[in-house]
Amino acid sequence: QLQLQESGPGLVKPSETLSLTCTVSGGSISSSSYYWGWIRQPPGKGLEWIGSIYYSGSTYYNPSLKSRVTISVDTSKNQFSLKLSSVTAADTAVYYCARHLGVSPDYWGQGTLVTVSS
Amino acid sequence: NFMLTQPHSVSESPGKTVTISCTRSSGSIASNYVQWYQQRPGSAPTTVIYEDNQRPSGVPDRFSGSIDSSSNSASLTISGLKTEDEADYYCQSYDSSSVFGGGTKLTVL
Repeated sequence: QLQLQESGPGLVKPSETLSLTCTVSGGSISSSSYYWGWIRQPPGKGLEWIGSIYYSGSTYYNPSLKSRVTISVDTSKNQFSLKLSSVTAADTAVYYCARHLGVSPDYWGQGTLVTVSS
Repeated sequence: NFMLTQPHSVSESPGKTVTISCTRSSGSIASNYVQWYQQRPGSAPTTVIYEDNQRPSGVPDRFSGSIDSSSNSASLTISGLKTEDEADYYCQSYDSSSVFGGGTKLTVL
């Protein structure tokens, strides 16, 4: 059974870089059928798509976040990662990793709360 | 980019049928698939409809999806409502990137 698990610091200081990793088990990140990506949800608010990546490294990003976002993949570890630079309090959210069909999530991790605060 | 607009909330009684709409602001609703996600309180979203009207395995056939080009909208219909259906529902579609609707809180009372 496919499982996705987010990991990384739960607290990040303003202006620093948020870094999260998603570890995939029960399936290969090198599958030709899927992309892998990130979505976030500020407390009490709706979902915002961040971006997705193919195992070859091809990426799609949300235009509103593109200048601050990098998504990368490590096929040897069956992991993919998110970096979001120059964070502010507005970046406080639950961050979900998810398997994607292109840019559409279809199977989600449980999510991890990241708070931006000094 | 375009927007997807959903009603903020809907409510209905157990056993009844409810429909949640999702209207695309620009571009044709039929040009890209629509997905629907259910999010229960404190949990991650799960897919209940993909590719406009397809149900993942394990999703009951009480859930159905459709699109209407005349209103440029998609709809999620849940029949035979159960209290366990109470959740937030999000539509999603895309062009060059992915867009979520604002979400609809379904109350089953």
